[in-house]
Amino acid sequence: GAVVSQHPSWVICKSGTSVKIECRSLDFQATTMFWYRQFPKQSLMLMATSNEGSKATYEQGVEKDKFLINHASLTLSTLTVTSAHPEDSSFYICSATPGGANSPLHFGNGTRLTVT
Amino acid sequence: AQTVTQSQPEMSVQEAETVTLSCTYDTSESDYYLFWYKQPPSRQMILVIRQEAYKQQNATENRFSVNFQKAAKSFSLKISDSQLGDAAMYFCAYRSAGYGGSQGNLIFGKGTKLSVKP
Repeated sequence: GAVVSQHPSWVICKSGTSVKIECRSLDFQATTMFWYRQFPKQSLMLMATSNEGSKATYEQGVEKDKFLINHASLTLSTLTVTSAHPEDSSFYICSATPGGANSPLHFGNGTRLTVT
Repeated sequence: AQTVTQSQPEMSVQEAETVTLSCTYDTSESDYYLFWYKQPPSRQMILVIRQEAYKQQNATENRFSVNFQKAAKSFSLKISDSQLGDAAMYFCAYRSAGYGGSQGNLIFGKGTKLSVKP
């Protein structure tokens, strides 16, 4: 089956630093990738949608300057949390799809970010 | 905008018994997809079952089946012969069949935590 690799699986960083999370589709071309955030014991909330070669579309309330998303190729999207603060600590999950209305979504394993 | 509601924050079932998890949704669209995802403690999202709205027949996957009531906008998950490995968070999700931008996105309910008692 289709595999989406997300790296790193966990990261601890100091407040004020930036962290990059990678999401790779290993055996298919992902025209669209979605980035979600999940707080403890809560559901997944969509942060942004990235389409290969174009700017990401951010959901209302998500700071685009803080959460930089790049989808430079059909197999890689990155989420960079800039100037991280403790309130950015969360679980981030990406999902990818080859595209099309009936295409399935494949999830990465998620990244647990802790900002100290 | 579409919404997904799971009214049961927690459920418990005895091993080998049957449990039903509830989900309702709201949409003005006629064509869409509905999903149940399982999220174990590892937090990996695992697709359990999928239903196309245009299909009247309820989807089944081994011990998992759904009761899809389109008019009532209800999509419940039945787990038969529950196993210890079924213990997890279960999320109901909606996806528009129209594609473009975030329309391909999944909209999740708040989840139901299922415990399985030995």
